[in-house]
Amino acid sequence: ETGVTQTPRHLVMGMTNKKSLKCEQHLGHNAMYWYKQSAKKPLELMFVYNFKEQTENNSVPSRFSPECPNSSHLFLHLHTLQPEDSALYLCASSPDSSGGGATQYFGPGTRLTVL
Amino acid sequence: DQQVKQNSPSLSVQEGRISILNCDYTNSMFDYFLWYKKYPAEGPTFLISISSIKDKNEDGRFTVFLNKSAKHLSLHIVPSQPGDSAVYFCAARNAGGTSYGKLTFGQGTILTVHP
Repeated sequence: ETGVTQTPRHLVMGMTNKKSLKCEQHLGHNAMYWYKQSAKKPLELMFVYNFKEQTENNSVPSRFSPECPNSSHLFLHLHTLQPEDSALYLCASSPDSSGGGATQYFGPGTRLTVL
Repeated sequence: DQQVKQNSPSLSVQEGRISILNCDYTNSMFDYFLWYKKYPAEGPTFLISISSIKDKNEDGRFTVFLNKSAKHLSLHIVPSQPGDSAVYFCAARNAGGTSYGKLTFGQGTILTVHP
């Protein structure tokens, strides 16, 4: 496997469910990101991890809980979501999250639908 | 407040002609700019970038121009090919402060290249 992979690619869940999105990068990068893309809106940065430490939480509701056990893996745990949380969730990685690692490489995304 | 704007939601071009995609920004702290391309059901793919100390960067059929005084950048694709049909996102990197390294994205322009 190369690049950035995300599973599942599609997820439908009810508002009371608990689910997790997984991201894995095979690029040897040290920074990983979660983005949300809603219809007709720009990509919104949610979380940044640099060397496994969370360096940014962009005012994301607590029903979204990220986890980064190592530099290659990133999870987004979902709990009691709302229908307006339905969106494409994209994971990205870069060499680091500071100036030297500007170019981010994206996974294919998880299309989430909350019923 | 949207700091990176792509004012044209869509662009239609004939194969072989030039495609010009535009992007405007408001934050003077941006120091690096990137263009991404996104096909349906895939994540954004890095295309080309430019540092704020340059005004042009060329890579094959793709050229990015930066006009710092106007806070404007553009992506030129020549000649355009049907396979270039995708959504193009412009992104800008913060050079300092607590948002150092963070990318801010525009809302995207849908390019359609007709055979």
